[in-house]
Amino acid sequence: GESVGLHLPTLSVQEGDNSIINCAYSNSASDYFIWYKQESGKGPQFIIDIRSNMDKRQGQRVTVLLNKTVKHLSLQIAATQPGDSAVYFCAERGGFQKLVFGTGTRLLVSP
Amino acid sequence: SQTIHQWPATLVQPVGSPLSLECTVEGTSNPNLYWYRQAAGRGLQLLFYSVGIGQISSEVPQNLSASRPQDRQFILSSKKLLLSDSGFYLCAWNSGPSTDTQYFGPGTRLTVL
Repeated sequence: GESVGLHLPTLSVQEGDNSIINCAYSNSASDYFIWYKQESGKGPQFIIDIRSNMDKRQGQRVTVLLNKTVKHLSLQIAATQPGDSAVYFCAERGGFQKLVFGTGTRLLVSP
Repeated sequence: SQTIHQWPATLVQPVGSPLSLECTVEGTSNPNLYWYRQAAGRGLQLLFYSVGIGQISSEVPQNLSASRPQDRQFILSSKKLLLSDSGFYLCAWNSGPSTDTQYFGPGTRLTVL
């Protein structure tokens, strides 16, 4: 079946460092992936997405990398700020407009 | 621009009581609508989705039901709440097959005592 998981449940970094959050997926047929950020008590917020015909996509301070060979997805955050502290979820499209979410990684940024 | 609303923001209900959570979307028409539940410290579990008025698909058997009485309104209900129904309920939307990204509402924190 389909599943999306994360390697690290918690990542602690210093302000200004670069952060890398990883995600593994199992459905090799998945063609679309999303990263969401969820702050405590709030709904997930879209960060960046990538389609399977790409291996890299950049946004503002964020980069998503897709390695289809090993079914691995990563989110890189440059110059991490305290406001980046949150739980980050990866998700893959799992059928008709449905998303399958990973369990999440908590990012803690220390000043 | 599109916005999505959920209410109430928080709710504390006794076991066995009914439930009605509401989600509305503004600024779009004929959206796909979704209900998710998130247990504390966990990921999101899809409960229901709807591609149109009166069209509901259930993902998991449970004590809950959903309805879509209007194009941009999605309701999550229960006749009798269980302790296990506690959680953070999230509504999401997207604009159909041409758009994959789902956008989430602010959520409702439900505590069943």
